[in-house]
Amino acid sequence: EAGVAQSPRYKIIEKRQSVAFWCNPISGHATLYWYQQILGQGPKLLIQFQNNGVVDDSQLPKDRFSAERLKGVDSTLKIQPAKLEDSAVYLCASSSQGAAGGTQYFGPGTRLTVL
Amino acid sequence: AQSVTQLDSHVSVSEGTPVLLRCNYSSSYSPSLFWYVQHPNKGLQLLLKYTSAATLVKGINGFEAEFKKSETSFHLTKPSAHMSDAAEYFCVVTVTGTASKLTFGTGTRLQVTL
Repeated sequence: EAGVAQSPRYKIIEKRQSVAFWCNPISGHATLYWYQQILGQGPKLLIQFQNNGVVDDSQLPKDRFSAERLKGVDSTLKIQPAKLEDSAVYLCASSSQGAAGGTQYFGPGTRLTVL
Repeated sequence: AQSVTQLDSHVSVSEGTPVLLRCNYSSSYSPSLFWYVQHPNKGLQLLLKYTSAATLVKGINGFEAEFKKSETSFHLTKPSAHMSDAAEYFCVVTVTGTASKLTFGTGTRLQVTL
């Protein structure tokens, strides 16, 4: 089966610009996650969707980050305006169940560099 | 609250020798524990998971881990390292049976030398 797809793979922007990332989960997976992985650290959950509803966005910096999953399939994560500290790899994952019940499958990530 | 501590940020072994990557966890409830591997420029891949069944869990590529509640540990082992095992390894915890989020450790970089 096809894995989790993400685009773009790399993005370089200047601070205060906006950027958007796209994720297409594994077909049939109801749960979708966005993670931020800063260099040298483990991934940190930004937001979790169950179908098109938000389950957990407690660590999403809502003043600049937004995410949507309108039709319960693919999802976009946006940053506006970007800051230097947003430089990281943004990982998308999906699972057929919630975190503990189902294995999360990860995409290759989008590496964002903010100059 | 839940957390994991990976005790070594970097481990170096010779090819053919055993691998031990150490992980301690903290969880207020019954934990589910995972090990993920991340090769350069690739996505995270699940190696194995513990979800309150057998305490010795076997994963892919010859890896295994043992859940020890008394020591709050979930160390990852492999009898014989291969060059292709060189990667970053993450220990992960969540709460069993809930939609609780995964909490990742800071990672251990495994280097395998000839």
